[in-house]
Amino acid sequence: DTAVSQTPKYLVTQMGNDKSIKCEQNLGHDTMYWYKQDSKKFLKIMFSYNNKELIINETVPNRFSPKSPDKAHLNLHINSLELGDSAVYFCASSQDSGGQGVGWNTGELFFGEGSRLTVL
Amino acid sequence: LAKTTQPISMDSYEGQEVNITCSHNNIATNDYITWYQQFPSQGPRFIIQGYKTKVTNEVASLFIPADRKSSTLSLPRVSLSDTAVYYCLVGPRWYSSASKIIFGSGTRLSIRP
Repeated sequence: DTAVSQTPKYLVTQMGNDKSIKCEQNLGHDTMYWYKQDSKKFLKIMFSYNNKELIINETVPNRFSPKSPDKAHLNLHINSLELGDSAVYFCASSQDSGGQGVGWNTGELFFGEGSRLTVL
Repeated sequence: LAKTTQPISMDSYEGQEVNITCSHNNIATNDYITWYQQFPSQGPRFIIQGYKTKVTNEVASLFIPADRKSSTLSLPRVSLSDTAVYYCLVGPRWYSSASKIIFGSGTRLSIRP
């Protein structure tokens, strides 16, 4: 059983196209994230949702639109793809540690295996 | 933002103990120190987390001095399968502060037979 699963694993497309990456977690976590890892292996957070509510929206072009239909799913839709969008996109989740109060989590991120997007 | 500095790469041999040190001079009071491991074509995997002194689990130990300006990840008796990139992260555990937690370039650890 895969804890955090992403589809597709590989995606090759032309500039200007629109594509989506889907993510599902079966861990019962409350918070989900999208990260982008570029060719230099730097991993940067893009978005975070907590119980379907957008919490973090980093400086990301508005061509990127996340959607969380429920707390187990966080999808990423990208419009008008550009060459610079080529990267590996990772979905992650984390669990709230309610005992410390609202907004705290355990600090442990569970990552999916990544979706490698290549824009030609 | 607490910036971290760690060696770009390290080499070791099977059966050795490997220590990877991370500097985080401007760590804040609420910040925790977390280490992740990443294999090629996989997502990072949590190894260990600590706030102060020493933390040990079945995989590694984390040593944090009293001033918390650095930390050392210790991997006992490494094997070839420990070849990976290791990331040191510093930040608070509020989920809304995840943007403050920066994955740097990591330390590429290579284990030889």
